[in-house]
Amino acid sequence: GPKVLQIPSHQIIDMGQMVTLNCDPVSNHLYFYWYKQILGQQMEFLVNFYNGKVMEKSKLFKDQFSVERPDGSYFTLKIQPTALEDSAVYFCASSTPQANTEVFFGKGTRLTVV
Amino acid sequence: GDSVTQKQGQVTLSEDDFLFINCTYSTTTYPTLLWYVQYLGQGPQLLLKVTTANNKGISRGFEATYDKGTTSFHLQKASVQESDSAVYFCALVPGGNYKPTFGKGTSLVVHP
Repeated sequence: GPKVLQIPSHQIIDMGQMVTLNCDPVSNHLYFYWYKQILGQQMEFLVNFYNGKVMEKSKLFKDQFSVERPDGSYFTLKIQPTALEDSAVYFCASSTPQANTEVFFGKGTRLTVV
Repeated sequence: GDSVTQKQGQVTLSEDDFLFINCTYSTTTYPTLLWYVQYLGQGPQLLLKVTTANNKGISRGFEATYDKGTTSFHLQKASVQESDSAVYFCALVPGGNYKPTFGKGTSLVVHP
């Protein structure tokens, strides 16, 4: 079936540094999402993105977070600067712009901030 | 706001046992209800979804009924297998929206 690819699968970074998580969504999808999952806990919505703009974001989407998708390239989540509490698995997802459609998830990027 | 509650953190069964995972939801909209399954090291993948109240979703032997009266969407399977071991997330997409809101997940461990 359709696949969302996330690169890298694991990233270790020093606290205070910048990190960019990359996502290659399903090719005909226009809605993009990031979710955060701390080990053993539920997946929590961060942000969704459509037509070049953030549509909705949660309180977890701190000022240090930003997202973009330049034409024809990855949908990215940038954290600058990183903090210890940013350590988690970040899942990218995408869907078509239709109500009740399926949202497809990538395998996640495990971010470890040390 | 919208929310999904899964009370069971972990369920441990033996093969061929009956599975029941509790899920209740709260929303002011007419939602779509979903179950996602997450295998170890993978992202969540859709198991089944139901868009209309009082309907049942069935997939791979799993079933769930969208019960508007009790605001529940419990997941059941008559006979589990070891390969069903995974984390199961109940989720809802509010009417007119796109993003799923997830429950905390229930880890299913099936022993051979």
